[in-house]
Amino acid sequence: EIVMTQSPATLSVSPGERVTLSCRASQYISSHLAWYQQKPGQAPKLLIYGASIRAPGLPARFSGSGSGTDFTLTISSLQSEDFSLYYCQQYHNWPLLTFGAGTKVEIK
Amino acid sequence: EVQLVQSGAEVKQPGESLKISCKGSGYTFTTNWIVWVRQMPGKGLEWVGLIYPADSDTKYSPSFQGQVTISADKSINTAYLQMTRLQASDTAIYYCATGLVGATPGQFFDSWGQGTLVTVAS
Repeated sequence: EIVMTQSPATLSVSPGERVTLSCRASQYISSHLAWYQQKPGQAPKLLIYGASIRAPGLPARFSGSGSGTDFTLTISSLQSEDFSLYYCQQYHNWPLLTFGAGTKVEIK
Repeated sequence: EVQLVQSGAEVKQPGESLKISCKGSGYTFTTNWIVWVRQMPGKGLEWVGLIYPADSDTKYSPSFQGQVTISADKSINTAYLQMTRLQASDTAIYYCATGLVGATPGQFFDSWGQGTLVTVAS
């Protein structure tokens, strides 16, 4: 099983700041990585796939990068609606999909 | 508009069984993989399994193999997740989702159901 490790578990930031979330795979996954945002009481929302391709309609302040085993999700200027949980998911080993444990972005 | 509508919340006793549903509309249901994902209270997302409704090809997470059954009725655009011998540890929100973007559907998921809360308690 490919294990996805997200760090940090919690990130305390102020609105307007730049935020970088990390996701590391336990083995090579090429660019087969997606990012999701989940707000309390809601289903996850796809943000990024292919490590760097924004989902339709996603604001440009969100960007993804990385390949191989190390990936990042960057929010260039944090808006109030971005305080949320973020998960990464690998699909390199499809159909054996795995998610990271998540990073919570909270208001500082 | 793509929609996945899940069945309502369930409260069950230990040892009971249940079957929750996920009805798709607004897209070609039969030729897009449906995934089931579990989220235990206050915890992260866990992949349960996948089904391809056109031929009911099903893939299970090793963690859930033998514990759940995923099925689909393509005539009514509905997928199902069945669990038997429920335990308190099965208490969770179960989501269905499908992936319509990208070159290879079924790898990541852009359309999600609203989730079904399953509570197992005596």
